[in-house]
Amino acid sequence: DTAVSQTPKYLVTQMGNDKSIKCEQNLGHDTMYWYKQDSKKFLKIMFSYNNKELIINETVPNRFSPKSPDKAHLNLHINSLELGDSAVYFCASSPPDRGSKSPLHFGNGTRLTVT
Amino acid sequence: AQKITQTQPGMFVQEKEAVTLDCTYDTSDPSYGLFWYKQPSSGEMIFLIYQGSYDQQNATEGRYSLNFQKARKSANLVISASQLGDSAMYFCAMREGGRRDDKIIFGKGTRLHILP
Repeated sequence: DTAVSQTPKYLVTQMGNDKSIKCEQNLGHDTMYWYKQDSKKFLKIMFSYNNKELIINETVPNRFSPKSPDKAHLNLHINSLELGDSAVYFCASSPPDRGSKSPLHFGNGTRLTVT
Repeated sequence: AQKITQTQPGMFVQEKEAVTLDCTYDTSDPSYGLFWYKQPSSGEMIFLIYQGSYDQQNATEGRYSLNFQKARKSANLVISASQLGDSAMYFCAMREGGRRDDKIIFGKGTRLHILP
């Protein structure tokens, strides 16, 4: 199936741990994103990558480090997890060369719970 | 700076009635796109409909239509003949310009409850 897939779907961990979320898309898109959805359902962009190059970094703590090994993959590594990091993290991608018409195609989200 | 406002945190509507979800936006870029997404309780984000700033006609996709009033900077989503499965969070979103460093920003969402 063509899709944006992210793993794991659920992640429960303790404060201070380091964890990673993986994302892959097979839609042929060249731009990928990480969004954070907080407990009030507000969606905020964290990062975007275009063809492995970091484009947007939205005042995210440097404990969060995205990595894009190729244009189909964008991973998110989080160091020293804090309670406030608990949220749903969405990976998304958008197609090239469609300008402002390009919708985001979302993965199903990773629910991170820090205890 | 771009901004999206959804003023209805929650709505209750009787099944089979039409629903209008409000969205206003602010941007100084003449080229932009407006999107609506649905997020059911299962959590996934589903793209519903798109409207471009230069589009002359209102977008329609099945039971979804977008009431685009450019001068008022509003892009309301209309769902005709609502169904129980329409109960979900709905997000309005905007993308400016289509440059490499643009971003899609979201409103705070409206939670729609369809009553049987």
